[in-house]
Amino acid sequence: AQSVTQLDSQVPVFEEAPVELRCNYSSSVSVYLFWYVQYPNQGLQLLLKYLSGSTLVKGINGFEAEFNKSQTSFHLRKPSVHISDTAEYFCAVSDVNTDKLIFGTGTRLQVFP
Amino acid sequence: NAGVTQTPKFRILKIGQSMTLQCAQDMNHNYMYWYRQDPGMGLKLIYYSVGAGITDKGEVPNGYNVSRSTTEDFPLRLELAAPSQTSVYFCASSSPRDGEKLFFGSGTQLSVL
Repeated sequence: AQSVTQLDSQVPVFEEAPVELRCNYSSSVSVYLFWYVQYPNQGLQLLLKYLSGSTLVKGINGFEAEFNKSQTSFHLRKPSVHISDTAEYFCAVSDVNTDKLIFGTGTRLQVFP
Repeated sequence: NAGVTQTPKFRILKIGQSMTLQCAQDMNHNYMYWYRQDPGMGLKLIYYSVGAGITDKGEVPNGYNVSRSTTEDFPLRLELAAPSQTSVYFCASSSPRDGEKLFFGSGTQLSVL
């Protein structure tokens, strides 16, 4: 079975500062990894995903994440955040043999002016 | 394409009442899911389906039922609503031909009083 841990429940940052949202996973088999964003009062949107290939994945809105197999991590980064990046961010993992997504508990990114 | 459509958007139930949350997708996706989102808990998988006529339990299936008579529709049924079922419910669909990407509905906010 897979599990996902997002260590930070909240991350406050000032506008234009860099940010890293941490995600660690555990699995006995190969996995796919995802980051989703949820803006207030909206459903989830896919930010980026890692299926195979290059371990550095670029997503929408200037976000990127790096898959580190040895550390079982998939941290999300952005070099300069905007107020509009304020949202809840979810890391998720799925077994390559199924389509069941397991989500982390989410990290609330709050960007201050 | 409308994507994934959930109805209703909001609902208040009394304890013991029953209701069905509707979910429909027009992308011909085989895989469909129901998640619930509780504050600080992230998303939990309730039920999922890999195709018409096939359903399976997720992490938190108790108190819910589903059916998948067609590829398009995946309704979630609450038979005897309980306060513990107060949550935001998300329906989603995916397909390997879309790179495993999950498409989410906008959610149903359910309160059981």
